[in-house]
Amino acid sequence: AQSVTQPDIHITVSEGASLELRCNYSYGATPYLFWYVQSPGQGLQLLLKYFSGDTLVQGIKGFEAEFKRSQSSFNLRKPSVHWSDAAEYFCAVGPGWGKLQFGAGTQVVVTP
Amino acid sequence: EAGVTQSPTHLIKTRGQQVTLRCSPISGHTSVYWYQQALGLGLQFLLWYDEGEERNRGNFPPRFSGRQFPNYSSELNVNALELEDSALYLCASSLRQITGELFFGEGSRLTVL
Repeated sequence: AQSVTQPDIHITVSEGASLELRCNYSYGATPYLFWYVQSPGQGLQLLLKYFSGDTLVQGIKGFEAEFKRSQSSFNLRKPSVHWSDAAEYFCAVGPGWGKLQFGAGTQVVVTP
Repeated sequence: EAGVTQSPTHLIKTRGQQVTLRCSPISGHTSVYWYQQALGLGLQFLLWYDEGEERNRGNFPPRFSGRQFPNYSSELNVNALELEDSALYLCASSLRQITGELFFGEGSRLTVL
């Protein structure tokens, strides 16, 4: 069965500091991996996606993620966070079509 | 290009009532997905429609149902509302054949009293 684990429910980071959000997945085949962000009261916006090829993928808003097959991980990073990055972040896995399986989300708080 | 649109944005119902939520996908997208985001439960997959057919269903009781119209818009119906149905209902659309990337609307916030 497929599953996505985001170990950190809540992360607090200072503005300007780096951010890393963890995501581990369990999937029987080659996964299609995604990171979405949800601002309060809003829908989800796609940050980046990985299907194949280069394991380091670049996304919007200065985010990047690295796919590590050996660790079944797809961690999201940003070198320097801005106050506007405060939001909830969801990792998701899917087969390339059909529904996505989402992690429980990580709430990011940015302090001045 | 217009994104996924959902209506209504907010609504309040009482237990036992019925509700219909609506979703218009991005032009050209044939697949529509419904997710429930209840407090503390994360994103739970409800339904997937593609080309007018129900393709997959999540672990929800039959009182959750829906349909997809010829123009690919979709409705989600919830009968006999219960308090725990209070949630943000998110609709997403995709091009079925490509990548599985979902584009989400802003959701319909349902409160059941």
